[in-house]
Amino acid sequence: SQQGEEDPQALSIQEGENATMNCSYKTSINNLQWYRQNSGRGLVHLILIRSNEREKHSGRLRVTLDTSKKSSSLLITASRAADTASYFCATGGIQGAQKLVFGQGTRLTINP
Amino acid sequence: DAMVIQNPRYQVTQFGKPVTLSCSQTLNHNVMYWYQQKSSQAPKLLFHYYDKDFNNEADTPDNFQSRRPNTSFCFLDIRSPGLGDAAMYLCATSRGRMQETQYFGPGTRLLVL
Repeated sequence: SQQGEEDPQALSIQEGENATMNCSYKTSINNLQWYRQNSGRGLVHLILIRSNEREKHSGRLRVTLDTSKKSSSLLITASRAADTASYFCATGGIQGAQKLVFGQGTRLTINP
Repeated sequence: DAMVIQNPRYQVTQFGKPVTLSCSQTLNHNVMYWYQQKSSQAPKLLFHYYDKDFNNEADTPDNFQSRRPNTSFCFLDIRSPGLGDAAMYLCATSRGRMQETQYFGPGTRLLVL
């Protein structure tokens, strides 16, 4: 079964606004990663946050991780038209299923 | 620049006609993966190689095979494509353990007529 579930499935905002996407998962993890996928392209790694970390920043991206709630959020500040893409969370397991398991993704549209 | 390359970007094949998709990497990573992604869905892992060790996912159809002749190259063979195999096929690599950062190629869009 799918490990990560993302919310919302689709998000449309105005350029310059902040975008927040959420990811929930079910089992213990080693790390959680966020990827971006432009239409018809491969995935691009954005951020990896380990299970012992609570927050991580990269440029306009901020990721939080709450292992007690088994959830993570990705915040994109001051959004740009080029941020239009699908965003996937992926969880890395610690036992058994050590592969990355991807969520269904959030489709983000930035309106000019 | 080190990267993951997939050829071709678009592949059209006929129902039942074998097709091979190619992936190469200049990252010198130990692990290579093949994912299938259908429209608006999450990437689904088909199999991976850790060096020469092949690991098949339990629900990957027998119709899908893979070869890794050396560190740099990995191939996805679809022996008898069906209409349901039309999808984006993504190749990815990672340095070591599977749960670490993965680097993806641009994908090959497969159309089955």
